[in-house]
Amino acid sequence: EAQVTQNPRYLITVTGKKLTVTCSQNMNHEYMSWYRQDPGLGLRQIYYSMNVEVTDKGDVPEGYKVSRKEKRNFPLILESPSPNQTSLYFCASSPDRAYEQYFGPGTRLTVT
Amino acid sequence: KQEVTQIPAALSVPEGENLVLNCSFTDSAIYNLQWFRQDPGKGLTSLLLIQSSQREQTSGRLNASLDKSSGRSTLYIAASQPGDSATYLCAVSGAGNMLTFGGGTRLMVKP
Repeated sequence: EAQVTQNPRYLITVTGKKLTVTCSQNMNHEYMSWYRQDPGLGLRQIYYSMNVEVTDKGDVPEGYKVSRKEKRNFPLILESPSPNQTSLYFCASSPDRAYEQYFGPGTRLTVT
Repeated sequence: KQEVTQIPAALSVPEGENLVLNCSFTDSAIYNLQWFRQDPGKGLTSLLLIQSSQREQTSGRLNASLDKSSGRSTLYIAASQPGDSATYLCAVSGAGNMLTFGGGTRLMVKP
């Protein structure tokens, strides 16, 4: 089944403890991206990647890192999480910018 | 910077009504526009994708139109059902695969 998977789905952590949210797609898509969704602010893009080893900042990249070493994986790294990074995170992929984006199920992160 | 606005923010209708959701965007230099559905606490499901060269797309009871020059799109839902209750999001794709989302329209269809 074609899908985008994210792990973990739920995470509660403490300020400053490094964490990684994984994202994997099995559709051989070149484009992948990360979004966060917050009440009243909607969905905002954090980082995106147009291919392996090619990444760029979205609207809200501060406090996040990404890497794209393999085509199928695009992990989101929070080196020192803070409470303002408490949010619902979505990973997405698409074959090309001209095609529809497929979203993962989301990761709900709480930073205390 | 691209800005996407959706009106209304919330909508409540009786079952069976035809309804229109609106989406507007400020920069017409887009690759495509996509409509999504999001159920509470869930991920996004793609409903329709309209390329910048297209005027409309249809899928079942859904019809989406795009007027790129005026920066507008509408999502038409025919014969609404309680199962259509969800938040509907529009998003435009611009340079660098930047996808900019609107704030969404929260739809409730009452039996």
